[in-house]
Parts: sequence; structure tokens; C-alpha cells
Amino acid sequence: NAGVTQTPKFQVLKTGQSMTLQCAQDMNHNSMYWYRQDPGMGLRLIYYSASEGTTDKGEVPNGYNVSRLNKREFSLRLESAAPSQTSVYFCASSPREGGGNTIYFGEGSWLTVV
Amino acid sequence: AQSVAQPEDQVNVAEGNPLTVKCTYSVSGNPYLFWYVQYPNRGLQFLLKYITGDNLVKGSYGFEAEFNKSQTSFHLKKPSALVSDSALYFCAVRDIMFSGGYNKLIFGAGTRLAVHP
Repeated sequence: NAGVTQTPKFQVLKTGQSMTLQCAQDMNHNSMYWYRQDPGMGLRLIYYSASEGTTDKGEVPNGYNVSRLNKREFSLRLESAAPSQTSVYFCASSPREGGGNTIYFGEGSWLTVV
Repeated sequence: AQSVAQPEDQVNVAEGNPLTVKCTYSVSGNPYLFWYVQYPNRGLQFLLKYITGDNLVKGSYGFEAEFNKSQTSFHLKKPSALVSDSALYFCAVRDIMFSGGYNKLIFGAGTRLAVHP
């Protein structure tokens, strides 16, 4: 049981380039999330998908787009990368949105924009 | 406004001694509270959560946390620290009274625990 799997683990981009972070979960969870982690700021929610077919903005959505491809997969796209998007990105999932549901995280994707 | 604070950037403790990592919260209703641990270059791993019931919650790897409503705290504790417990610890809170869309999980900034041999 792999849990939440995200790729790539490391990536270096030039300013203006685009890329997609892929995420898949095998726990049959309804809800999926993308967070970014920056030093001293904890985790901030970029986008979330409460269920298959829906996506919504989180705290810091600017510069990103997402696609909930099916129940398992939730991708994050940077259309024109900027140095401010240098961060560690985490995909996560939970049985459903909110309440006492535990959110389970992937291993992270380290992105550097130069 | 909903918030969670981890007042210590770093906690240092000797192996074998008890450890405490502090967390306080502010929500409009009753909280759901979580602790996660992050080892270097890894994702966040769930340790434990408080939903309701007994104020003392037991979790993974011998950790426990005590919910204190009057002090709005949810401190993480372990009776005897191990060097392998050295990691970054995050407290998070969800406000069960929130009714404005996504029921967001708010994370603290994290506390780095260093356990010395």
C-alpha cells in the first residue's frame, strides 16, 4: 500500500518554464490537496479537491492550476514558474473534506526556480 | 480568526528525558487538533489527533498529547526521548464551527526537536 505518491521528487526550473507535479493516492480517498511548505511558515494550502470532479482555491492559489483527473489523481501545474514558487510541495489526501478526518501526505517535491 | 501557535522554534532534550512540544490554538468553536512529524527530506506523518472524549490522546511512537480547553493548548509529550525522535513537529487545528466553505486545517510554523545522546 503506497499511500500518496508524488513525482518528481526534485526539479529545477528556469523562470518562465512550466511543469506539472503529479500525485496519486491508492487509499480510495475522496478529498485531495496540494500544499506548499516554506521555512517558518508551516504548510499553506494551494488548491484542494473535495471530491472527484471538483476543485477549489486554497490560501495561495496564484500562479498554479490543478486538475482532478479521476478519484486517484490530482495534478498541480505551474504555467510560468517564478522564483517565489521555489518551495517544497506536498500532495495529500483524506477520506473526505473536513471534520476529524486525518490528512495523509506524500513524500514531497522539492522545486527550485532559478 | 483561527490560528495555531507553536511558541518554540526549537526544543533540545537529552535522550531518556521527558519531552514536551507546545501548541496553543484559537478557534471560534470546538477544535479538532492534530500533531504531525516530519523527518528530514520526508513528508509529514500523522502522529495523533483529538476529536472528542478523553483529554489525553495516545499516538504513534510512544507520543501522547493533552487537550486543555481552558488553556487552549494541545502539548505533545513523550516520557522518554530517543535520538530518533529528532525531527520537525507540526501542530494543526480545524474549527468544527467553521461554515464558510472548505473546513481548513491550519498548521503551526513547526518546532524542531533535537534529542542529544
